[in-house]
Amino acid sequence: DAGITQSPRHKVTETGTPVTLRCHQTENHRYMYWYRQDPGHGLRLIHYSYGVKDTDKGEVSDGYSVSRSKTEDFLLTLESATSSQTSVYFCAISESGTGATGELFFGEGSRLTVL
Amino acid sequence: AQSVAQPEDQVNVAEGNPLTVKCTYSVSGNPYLFWYVQYPNRGLQFLLKYITGDNLVKGSYGFEAEFNKSQTSFHLKKPSALVSDSALYFCAVRDGWSTDKLIFGTGTRLQVFP
Repeated sequence: DAGITQSPRHKVTETGTPVTLRCHQTENHRYMYWYRQDPGHGLRLIHYSYGVKDTDKGEVSDGYSVSRSKTEDFLLTLESATSSQTSVYFCAISESGTGATGELFFGEGSRLTVL
Repeated sequence: AQSVAQPEDQVNVAEGNPLTVKCTYSVSGNPYLFWYVQYPNRGLQFLLKYITGDNLVKGSYGFEAEFNKSQTSFHLKKPSALVSDSALYFCAVRDGWSTDKLIFGTGTRLQVFP
């Protein structure tokens, strides 16, 4: 299995509180992604990174920010959590990026519940 | 915009029978197509991909997929289903010819009965 660790794996928080999810990889892959998984929607891309300090928005980026200060770490922050952000969040990595026919390797997921 | 559709929320099949999980796509240009599988409480795992070449693509765990340009489909198939194949299956397409992003379908739950 690819060396991807997500933390925390489970979190319950209240509306309006900040939340940070961490993705740590040991593969030295260039590309990192944050997806959310919701019933009826499949996986939707939130943000992704194509290098240290290089990030871009996905299709559902509102209410989320990201940072990547080191190759191995990609942080997803919810500045003020809302109930609509209750979801399972997956981090993924790719050596070459899917544009170069690379495939994604996924972490185990972080289940976030916002009350 | 690029997209994929998985028309079936769930597919039920008896063990030993062939299985098909359907996927259709809408892209501009040549499609880069993928299948992923998700077992309970796990992340997604790559199964196979179509970039170019043969329309029949072979992947992990005995799965294969058939690319059909005229029908804009990329159906996942297996000749003989196993109970252990029961999982959630996602079709995906690359989002544009120069990006590094995948767009996923809504997923199809495969249930294989003994």
